Amino acid sequence: SQQGEEDPQALSIQEGENATMNCSYKTSINNLQWYRQNSGRGLVHLILIRSNEREKHSGRLRVTLDTSKKSSSLLITASRAADTASYFCATGDYKLSFGAGTTVTVRA
Amino acid sequence: GAGVSQSPRYKVAKRGQDVALRCDPISGHVSLFWYQQALGQGPEFLTYFQNEAQLDKSGLPSDRFFAERPEGSVSTLKIQRTQQEDSAVYLCASSLAEYNEQFFGPGTRLTVL
Repeated sequence: SQQGEEDPQALSIQEGENATMNCSYKTSINNLQWYRQNSGRGLVHLILIRSNEREKHSGRLRVTLDTSKKSSSLLITASRAADTASYFCATGDYKLSFGAGTTVTVRA
Repeated sequence: GAGVSQSPRYKVAKRGQDVALRCDPISGHVSLFWYQQALGQGPEFLTYFQNEAQLDKSGLPSDRFFAERPEGSVSTLKIQRTQQEDSAVYLCASSLAEYNEQFFGPGTRLTVL
């Protein structure tokens, strides 16, 4: 069973635009992670945000966490073609529970 | 190598065959995880090792699935009498310790005909 749910399921944007995707989860968490998966490749860890943090930045990525709403968002700024991928949120301490992902397509 | 490696990358099996999927974790990583990813879905947890001990196998779908890590390094996921519903990508991940960031391998895509 999957705890997280990403929204939207798919997103198509122009290069240079920002992309925002959301994740909702059901039970209380200690942290939430975001991963990226390119076509045919493994998952790459992007960022981890702890339950006592509200916002975290890493390069062009910005993650927010609202534990009262049990939701998180991932913002990719100034998107590039290389950002085309599926993005997953994951909760859990060791036994990660992933959502179904948001597929992002960045058009040149 | 620097990352987690898995072999084979692709496996086609006839229904009823047994398969063995291998995972080489990052050297020194104590924790090792297996996940199953169906097409269009996120990965789902199968099992977890700390060194050679299998501490959690709650995600294994049936007793046809068996995993081992006898020397606390390389791990093998074995599926006996494969069924069509076993078709998926099997991902292995390792981490320095139980609650650290997990590093994933490229996966093995299993197709059962």
